[in-house]
Amino acid sequence: NAGVMQNPRHLVRRRGQEARLRCSPMKGHSHVYWYRQLPEEGLKFMVYLQKENIIDESGMPKERFSAEFPKEGPSILRIQQVVRGDSAAYFCASSTEEVGQETQYFGPGTRLLVL
Amino acid sequence: AQRVTQPEKLLSVFKGAPVELKCNYSYSGSPELFWYVQYSRQRLQLLLRHISRESIKGFTADLNKGETSFHLKKPFAQEEDSAMYYCALSGGYAGGTSYGKLTFGQGTILTVHP
Repeated sequence: NAGVMQNPRHLVRRRGQEARLRCSPMKGHSHVYWYRQLPEEGLKFMVYLQKENIIDESGMPKERFSAEFPKEGPSILRIQQVVRGDSAAYFCASSTEEVGQETQYFGPGTRLLVL
Repeated sequence: AQRVTQPEKLLSVFKGAPVELKCNYSYSGSPELFWYVQYSRQRLQLLLRHISRESIKGFTADLNKGETSFHLKKPFAQEEDSAMYYCALSGGYAGGTSYGKLTFGQGTILTVHP
């Protein structure tokens, strides 16, 4: 099992461009979480998804950010019209749906730099 | 609202000394607490969770509901314990079902000197 995969590992964008971050959960995992880590801060929850459903997006900025987890393929975190304040490390985690087995396994993160 | 506080950003000890990383939390329900560790150039990984009551790599943590704390302890630190440590709390409900949305503290960088 390769673990949670994220790509790209590093992403550089200019202000106003779009950033797409991908997350492939561990095999057998149907729950995906996205977290953001701003410089000098801890990880902050953004959104929780199950296949084809957004369960909780209470941590997502209201504008420019969106997330999906389609039936096939990876989960995508999309940031439109990026600004310098979006520069951060974005981590994805996955877990199973089995009660009592909700340990989240983390990917290596995508480091976004907005110039 | 749920919150996790790790008061120490940096902690340095010498090899063989005891170490305690502090974590306090605020949560209105029955919390589930975790310690995650991130070694240099590696991904975040679970160290231990309070419900399993395990000792991993010599580390233990006891949930103290009276003091709302979940401090991580190890009696004899090793150089390989040097890493970033995050305390995290699980709590969140959707449709009446608990799920594992995590609230993290800001992390403590532990350095163990030879």
